[in-house]
Amino acid sequence: DAGVIQSPRHEVTEMGQEVTLRCKPISGHNSLFWYRQTMMRGLELLIYFNNNVPIDDSGMPEDRFSAKMPNASFSTLKIQPSEPRDSAVYFCASRTGTSVYEQYFGPGTRLTVT
Amino acid sequence: GENVEQHPSTLSVQEGDSAVIKCTYSDSASNYFPWYKQELGKGPQLIIDIRSNVGEKKDQRIAVTLNKTAKHFSLHITETQPEDSAVYFCAASGSGGYQKVTFGTGTKLQVIP
Repeated sequence: DAGVIQSPRHEVTEMGQEVTLRCKPISGHNSLFWYRQTMMRGLELLIYFNNNVPIDDSGMPEDRFSAKMPNASFSTLKIQPSEPRDSAVYFCASRTGTSVYEQYFGPGTRLTVT
Repeated sequence: GENVEQHPSTLSVQEGDSAVIKCTYSDSASNYFPWYKQELGKGPQLIIDIRSNVGEKKDQRIAVTLNKTAKHFSLHITETQPEDSAVYFCAASGSGGYQKVTFGTGTKLQVIP
């Protein structure tokens, strides 16, 4: 299995631009997570999907952030408009079932907003 | 909500020595404690986990201990090797249904050859 796939791996954009991050979870996994990692705040959960349905979006920082999961094999995290404080590494992770099993993380997208 | 504290933030050890990373948690309902290793440029990867009905678990050179009364758990790496150099995260969660996993702030471990 290719593991969790994220694209792009690096994104540099100017403040005010729209940014879309993409994730393909491991086939057969029905839970998907988006995390943000910064030096100041560590690893933060942004949103959790189960069977393509958002279950917990309490970590989404503000209305500029939105996430979708149109099907079991694809999810997007969108920031519009982007701001310099959104600069971080964004990880997608997936796992099987609703009980606690191992989360498999993707390689991350390093976002820089100038 | 759950709060996980992790210490130290950085740790340097000589190759062959042991390394210990300690975490505390606040929610007595938490009963699942995974540890993740993150290498440079990669996502975190689960290396070992422990559940509340177990006080200690070992897998080759790594071991975890859990003290539910004191609400702390630790990662022990013995006979450290340069490839153990990475950032290590502890985490805490409930189990069953959806339970949010709360991560510690990470420990950067450097093993000096």
